[in-house]
Amino acid sequence: AQKVTQAQTEISVVEKEDVTLDCVYETRDTTYYLFWYKQPPSGELVFLIRRNSFDEQNEISGRYSWNFQKSTSSFNFTITASQVVDSAVYFCAFERGSQGNLIFGKGTKLSVKP
Amino acid sequence: GAVVSQHPSWVICKSGTSVKIECRSLDFQATTMFWYRQFPKQSLMLMATSNEGSKATYEQGVEKDKFLINHASLTLSTLTVTSAHPEDSSFYICSAGDSGYGYTFGSGTRLTVV
Repeated sequence: AQKVTQAQTEISVVEKEDVTLDCVYETRDTTYYLFWYKQPPSGELVFLIRRNSFDEQNEISGRYSWNFQKSTSSFNFTITASQVVDSAVYFCAFERGSQGNLIFGKGTKLSVKP
Repeated sequence: GAVVSQHPSWVICKSGTSVKIECRSLDFQATTMFWYRQFPKQSLMLMATSNEGSKATYEQGVEKDKFLINHASLTLSTLTVTSAHPEDSSFYICSAGDSGYGYTFGSGTRLTVV
C-alpha cells in the first residue's frame, strides 16, 4: 500500500533561516505523482508543486526548492530565507497513476518567528 | 488558473439535521471531484470520489447513506451530511483538476454539530 511519511510534526525557525521539510513515500508503483500543498491558518490548501515519478529534476521556484530522489523515496521541500508568511502546515501527497485521489502525509507545521 | 469554490465556509447545525456543502469548478469542467475530511490537527483523508452523472465511489469505512454525494453537472458536486451528529464535526474540503496541473482545492467547510 502507498504511504506518505512526514516525520517532522512541527518546526520552528527564526525569519531568514533556511528550513527543509522532509517527505518519504512508499510505493511499488512505477508511475505516480508527488505533490506539496500549503495550508495556512485559514484552512484552504494551496498547490505548490507536482512532480511525476519519471522526472527527478530538482526544481526551484523563488525561495522554494524541491529535491526528488527516487533512490531514497524522498521528496523534500526547502524554503530559503524563510518569512513569517511561510508559517503554515505543509502537506506532502502521493497520487497513484492519474487516479486523482491523493494520499496525504500528516503534515508539518512550520512556524517562522520574526 | 483553475478555481474551485466551496460553500458554505462554515456551518453550525443541530444534531439530527442535514447539511449540504457545495463544490463548484468555476472556470473548468470537472467530471471528477474529490471529497476529503480533516479532523483538527490531522491530515486529510479521502472520503469519496464524485463522478458526474454516476454514483460516487466511497472509500472503505465511509458511510454512503450518511454522506450523500451528488454530481449532477460538470461544474457542481454536493456533499450532504445526513442526520448529523457531533462526531461528524470536521473540516470538509473538495478538490478537482488533474495531475497535469495539480489539483485545486476549495476553501473548505468547517462543520460543527451541536
